[in-house]
Amino acid sequence: QQPVQSPQAVILREGEDAVINCSSSKALYSVHWYRQKHGEAPVFLMILLKGGEQKGHEKISASFNEKKQQSSLYLTASQLSYSGTYFCGTGGGSNYKLTFGKGTLLTVNP
Amino acid sequence: EAQVTQNPRYLITVTGKKLTVTCSQNMNHEYMSWYRQDPGLGLRQIYYSMNVEVTDKGDVPEGYKVSRKEKRNFPLILESPSPNQTSLYFCASSLIPSRNTGELFFGEGSRLTVL
Repeated sequence: QQPVQSPQAVILREGEDAVINCSSSKALYSVHWYRQKHGEAPVFLMILLKGGEQKGHEKISASFNEKKQQSSLYLTASQLSYSGTYFCGTGGGSNYKLTFGKGTLLTVNP
Repeated sequence: EAQVTQNPRYLITVTGKKLTVTCSQNMNHEYMSWYRQDPGLGLRQIYYSMNVEVTDKGDVPEGYKVSRKEKRNFPLILESPSPNQTSLYFCASSLIPSRNTGELFFGEGSRLTVL
């Protein structure tokens, strides 16, 4: 079952902050975050693992609440280059199946 | 250069005509996966493979086959394509997706149209 992302779309002005949420009905072991620009392939941003291990991307951070089965992606001081569709992907540990949400379209305007 | 290569990038075919979309990676990754992307539905996993000769179904495997005879290659086979398989397909690979080395590398995508 696909994780649920919210909001579905958000419009910002350059310099504003945004939060994108991802929640799952299943227990999570890992959460991936990717950004896809129009006409391109998704590009890795971050992995969060159960137990707190994390890889990050500059100016973008994320949290992972294992108990609530939720993750949030924080984009601070947004830049025009942040525009795109953000996907979270959730995995269940020994099962290497990675399921993505439907995406959040982020538009940053000057 | 580390990359995932898919072919063809664009294909228009007719219902029932078997086709194969190839995927090759040069990073010695154990894990490979196929996704389809449709408007409003995000990325849905078709099949994935943990290593040579080990494959498993994703969320939407119906109408597709895969094989993993070599570590670097993971072709997607549509034995009898139908119009509802018209989509944008992505192949991806990684070391182990549930660890901190699990960054997925995506191919450029293959846009398939079935008439």
